[in-house]
Amino acid sequence: ETGVTQSPTHLIKTRGQQVTLRCSSQSGHNTVSWYQQALGQGPQFIFQYYREEENGRGNFPPRFSGLQFPNYSSELNVNALELDDSALYLCASSRLESNEKLFFGSGTQLSVL
Amino acid sequence: GESVGLHLPTLSVQEGDNSIINCAYSNSASDYFIWYKQESGKGPQFIIDIRSNMDKRQGQRVTVLLNKTVKHLSLQIAATQPGDSAVYFCAENIPDDKIIFGKGTRLHILP
Repeated sequence: ETGVTQSPTHLIKTRGQQVTLRCSSQSGHNTVSWYQQALGQGPQFIFQYYREEENGRGNFPPRFSGLQFPNYSSELNVNALELDDSALYLCASSRLESNEKLFFGSGTQLSVL
Repeated sequence: GESVGLHLPTLSVQEGDNSIINCAYSNSASDYFIWYKQESGKGPQFIIDIRSNMDKRQGQRVTVLLNKTVKHLSLQIAATQPGDSAVYFCAENIPDDKIIFGKGTRLHILP
């Protein structure tokens, strides 16, 4: 186990709704990254947070937003949900000094109906 | 778009044989590469990594080979076991220090 926990594990929403996903980082980690993994695909980088600010973003629209808190926990918010947002959302924590070593949680499976 | 990809989506290997999983990357500026294993219902798990100034690195039962000339990465698993069944992803650290994943190869172990 990595020490990265995500909640909830599963979630069902309808198109147009908003969702908040949560992540607790591994102890000692100061950076959190969020990935979207569609079925049968590799994880796609959404964004990264360091010191409570966005530190890089992938090719995702502004309706995907995030927060990092002083205790390094994090939230991913998605507004105006679309059917294509259905995916496994993965949170990974790391130390910026060794940013490459990502430690992943088990993800939140989001289904948009 | 993605700069990391894989040659085969599924690989079936006899238990006890060696497995070789391949990956192609296209960003010549990438300086660090990682292999992850993802089991059903879990997040990706770090297996082994290699920096661009190396061409081979060995771990416990796993070896990663890097060929920068043809932008090719491979993961070799010795004496494949049933517990090795998973999807394997190669990933690269692109110049702005973000980890980008390929599509993955499913490794299926035959009894």
